[in-house]
Amino acid sequence: GQQLNQSPQSMFIQEGEDVSMNCTSSSIFNTWLWYKQDPGEGPVLLIALYKAGELTSNGRLTAQFGITRKDSFLNISASIPSDVGIYFCAGQSSGATNKLIFGTGTLLAVQP
Amino acid sequence: DGGITQSPKYLFRKEGQNVTLSCEQNLNHDAMYWYRQDPGQGLRLIYYSQIVNDFQKGDIAEGYSVSREKKESFPLTVTSAQKNPTAFYLCASSIWTGLRGGYTFGSGTRLTVV
Repeated sequence: GQQLNQSPQSMFIQEGEDVSMNCTSSSIFNTWLWYKQDPGEGPVLLIALYKAGELTSNGRLTAQFGITRKDSFLNISASIPSDVGIYFCAGQSSGATNKLIFGTGTLLAVQP
Repeated sequence: DGGITQSPKYLFRKEGQNVTLSCEQNLNHDAMYWYRQDPGQGLRLIYYSQIVNDFQKGDIAEGYSVSREKKESFPLTVTSAQKNPTAFYLCASSIWTGLRGGYTFGSGTRLTVV
């Protein structure tokens, strides 16, 4: 099945560093979503983006919907140990349904 | 509070046995989904259902079966035909149509074959 290209696959950083990850697609999407999955739990929605060019923040998190509608990025500023987890992007293409396509995930490890 | 509940959290199965994973939601969502996640891997879609009494195969449906007799419930059966069933299983739900979608996930069931 179709999956989005998400990078990097993993990141190992020091507490306090900024983090950036992105997703790209060969298809146009009309919605981009970013989820975080804590170990052993289900993913939780962090940020939702609905318009090309849109830049949205949620605390230390900032995400943007690419102008071409084929990409999105997520930034985390001043990382802390509880940021550890897997981050997934998800895209929703034009059409009548809400079926999502998920990225392959970025594993983030933060060393105190 | 509205949410989606998966049970049990941990499940052990002997080889050759069928096992059913429960997923219940009280969000009044139309659509429900089952995903499989292997260590270090992304989410792979097993089955999804847009409406009661209807469901479609996802990308890795072989060895699995589902039913959707009620809007709130979407149980997944892992059959003995599934060659490598040990994995983390996630259930999700969403509205089916509308501009502002997005899934709500359960907390997952970890299945181990012993």
